Amino acid sequence: EAAVTQSPRNKVTVTGGNVTLSCRQTNSHNYMYWYRQDTGHGLRLIHYSYGAGNLQIGDVPDGYKATRTTQEDFFLLLELASPSQTSLYFCASRENSNERLFFGHGTKLSVL
Amino acid sequence: QQKVQQSPESLIVPEGGMASLNCTSSDRNVDYFWWYRQHSGKSPKMLMSIFSNGEKEEGRFTVHLNKASLHTSLHIRDSQPSDSALYLCAARVNTGNYKYVFGAGTRLKVIA
Repeated sequence: EAAVTQSPRNKVTVTGGNVTLSCRQTNSHNYMYWYRQDTGHGLRLIHYSYGAGNLQIGDVPDGYKATRTTQEDFFLLLELASPSQTSLYFCASRENSNERLFFGHGTKLSVL
Repeated sequence: QQKVQQSPESLIVPEGGMASLNCTSSDRNVDYFWWYRQHSGKSPKMLMSIFSNGEKEEGRFTVHLNKASLHTSLHIRDSQPSDSALYLCAARVNTGNYKYVFGAGTRLKVIA
């Protein structure tokens, strides 16, 4: 099965801190996605990309930047972290043929 | 407002019973649906996809789709305790670039 690796698994930072979440897929998938998961909201799309150097805005982009450096690597950046960004973050890559999303294990971020 | 609405929010069924979950979108740019299952502490995994009107069955799981009303439903017969999970409906929003939006989920509990 396709593999998506996220790091770190857990992160604690303070308000105003700088955080980078990493995601790597070795599935040769073109599309990659960053979601946040909060109780009562399901998965909400932050940013996505269809290839190296490309970035598309999702539904909840405020306070987040993203960068796709290669086909494999997609990063989510929080430059001035706020407590409202405390959440579980999932990265996913999309299978090219049937559009199935493969998710990483998630990064639990706490902003104090 | 979320583009994808799921009901009910939670559901308890006895072992061996039938679970029925619903999902609707109000966005006319939505064209395809998927159902994902997320066990506690795990990442979402695709359960079933449906792209055309009608019904699709895979083992104990059946999905229905009505594209005119943008409504899909998932039915689990002979429910097992291992089916206890959060069920997420995903929809493809086709506006040139493909993004996938999720509902808030239905939490299913199957009791022995």
